[in-house]
Amino acid sequence: NAGVTQTPKFQVLKTGQSMTLQCAQDMNHNSMYWYRQDPGMGLRLIYYSASEGTTDKGEVPNGYNVSRLNKREFSLRLESAAPSQTSVYFCASSTQQGAQGEAFFGQGTRLTVV
Amino acid sequence: LAKTTQPISMDSYEGQEVNITCSHNNIATNDYITWYQQFPSQGPRFIIQGYKTKVTNEVASLFIPADRKSSTLSLPRVSLSDTAVYYCLVGDVAGKSTFGDGTTLTVKP
Repeated sequence: NAGVTQTPKFQVLKTGQSMTLQCAQDMNHNSMYWYRQDPGMGLRLIYYSASEGTTDKGEVPNGYNVSRLNKREFSLRLESAAPSQTSVYFCASSTQQGAQGEAFFGQGTRLTVV
Repeated sequence: LAKTTQPISMDSYEGQEVNITCSHNNIATNDYITWYQQFPSQGPRFIIQGYKTKVTNEVASLFIPADRKSSTLSLPRVSLSDTAVYYCLVGDVAGKSTFGDGTTLTVKP
């Protein structure tokens, strides 16, 4: 059971380059999320998708775009990377948009922008 | 999203019970309280969730007073492998919550 799979695991970008972080879940979950975690800090929500076809901004959406490609996949795109976007990015999914239940997290993508 | 306040760090010894308290004064009626554990270089992992009173599972207990403005995660008989960061979350959408900076628990032999 793979759970939430993120690719790539590591990436180094130059300032101004673009890239897409991929996330896929095999648990038939409706909701998916993208978080970033800076060193020594908690996770901050970038974007989330309550269901297929919908996306909404979280706490720190500037500089990012997302696509809910289908029920399984939720991608995060950096159009023009900046050093401030150096962080570990986590994708998560949950069964429903309601309050109850747990979110399952991927292993993270460690992104460095130089 | 309700803001939470937790101690930055705690130390304990193997075999002891550890209680981590979280303050969430602005919790809303629809909010649930959820605790996650995170090891270095890994994503957070769900520990326990509750709405009111007490919840217990195979790894922890969660105590929530009647006013729900705080909650306490209780880890019985901790071991070295429980050394991690523990996050208290409050929200009305599973997965869509404010994590805060968490509590770093260090278990010593």
